[in-house]
Amino acid sequence: GAGVSQSPSNKVTEKGKDVELRCDPISGHTALYWYRQSLGQGLEFLIYFQGNSAPDKSGLPSDRFSAERTGGSVSTLTIQRTQQEDSAVYLCASSLVGTSGDNEQFFGPGTRLTVL
Amino acid sequence: SQQGEEDPQALSIQEGENATMNCSYKTSINNLQWYRQNSGRGLVHLILIRSNEREKHSGRLRVTLDTSKKSSSLLITASRAADTASYFCATDAIQGAQKLVFGQGTRLTINP
Repeated sequence: GAGVSQSPSNKVTEKGKDVELRCDPISGHTALYWYRQSLGQGLEFLIYFQGNSAPDKSGLPSDRFSAERTGGSVSTLTIQRTQQEDSAVYLCASSLVGTSGDNEQFFGPGTRLTVL
Repeated sequence: SQQGEEDPQALSIQEGENATMNCSYKTSINNLQWYRQNSGRGLVHLILIRSNEREKHSGRLRVTLDTSKKSSSLLITASRAADTASYFCATDAIQGAQKLVFGQGTRLTINP
């Protein structure tokens, strides 16, 4: 079946503009995650959605960042008033959270955001 | 600080040799996973090892876990040029509400 998809694949914006990044998880996966990866670095957790529970927003770096997940499926990550330090690859992942606690995450190809 | 720390940061070997990468972490975990990333884009899951397991194999991959030392290693045997990628360990902390915490990664280059 289809994997996790993200759009756009690349986004170039000017400092101060708002951007929206989209993630379509694998159908049936109840958990959805957003990560950020700066050049040459590891992944930084941003936010986690699980079913109808309140999202874990503990990784969002500032109040300029927000995310929503509509209907338990598609998610949008919004960055307001973008700054140059927001430039990174934004990765989305989904998983089928089972009772065993195993948590293999399936990643999308990412959106490369460049703030000029 | 990062939960997972890989070493070395970069590793360059000849095709056919074995590659070993290490990962250390700080808190108690449910499981530890290794992922591979090509060209700075999406990650591919390689293998998951649970906290009550000590060793796991998958094809040319061998993962060990030492919970007393809070460390893991990934061994790739008989390396191929196509194994060139970045490799990340990720931990699913017991208190972590299912989110994964990734290390900085090891950049592996296989020279033909």
